[in-house]
Amino acid sequence: GQQVMQIPQYQHVQEGEDFTTYCNSSTTLSNIQWYKQRPGGHPVFLIQLVKSGEVKKQKRLTFQFGEAKKNSSLHITATQTTDVGTYFCAGRTNSGYALNFGKGTSLLVTP
Amino acid sequence: DTAVSQTPKYLVTQMGNDKSIKCEQNLGHDTMYWYKQDSKKFLKIMFSYNNKELIINETVPNRFSPKSPDKAHLNLHINSLELGDSAVYFCASSQTSSSINEQFFGPGTRLTVL
Repeated sequence: GQQVMQIPQYQHVQEGEDFTTYCNSSTTLSNIQWYKQRPGGHPVFLIQLVKSGEVKKQKRLTFQFGEAKKNSSLHITATQTTDVGTYFCAGRTNSGYALNFGKGTSLLVTP
Repeated sequence: DTAVSQTPKYLVTQMGNDKSIKCEQNLGHDTMYWYKQDSKKFLKIMFSYNNKELIINETVPNRFSPKSPDKAHLNLHINSLELGDSAVYFCASSQTSSSINEQFFGPGTRLTVL
C-alpha cells in the first residue's frame, strides 16, 4: 500500500533559524496536503499542492511538490516561537478517498 | 460555531469496559473519518464514511465499531478496552466534491485506559 515517509521526526532550532521537513511517497500522488498541529491541539489544514513542481508560499512558509509528484517539502524561514508544533504531510492518490499521513515532524523553537 | 465537535474531551476508564465517543460536524460535509494518534504523534486512519456508507476500514480490531446515523454524525464504540487503546482519537470531516477536499479535525478525545 501507499506509504508517506516524513523526516526528520524531531527538529529543535533557535528562534530565527530556518527549518525544513521532507516527505516522500512510494507511489505517485494526485495531490499532497500539509497540516499543522499545535501542542495539545488538533491538525489544521495549511495548504494543498497539486501540480508537478508546484511551489506555494504563505508568509515565511514555502511548500514544494516534486516534479515526479512523489516528494514534497515545507520550509520555514526565520522560525518564531509561534511555529512550534507538529507538521504533517498527507498524500492522496487518484484511486482513493484516504489521505495517507506522514508520521509528522515535531518542531521546537527556543527563544 | 464549532465546525467539528467531539464528546467527551477526556475519557478515563478501566480495562475491559465499553465506551463510546461521539462526533458531529455542522459543515454539511459528505465524508467523516476517525483517526487514532498515539503518544508518538502518529496519526493513523481507522475508518471513513461517505454519505453514511463505510468506505475506509483499516486494520482495526473488531472491538472498534463505527456508526454513522446520518451524514453529520459519526460515532465510535469500543468494546473490551485494552491498555493499548490509550490514545487521542480525532474525528474529521471533508467535502469530497470540493477542489481541495481538506479535512477539518475535531478537538480530539483523549482516552486513557487504566
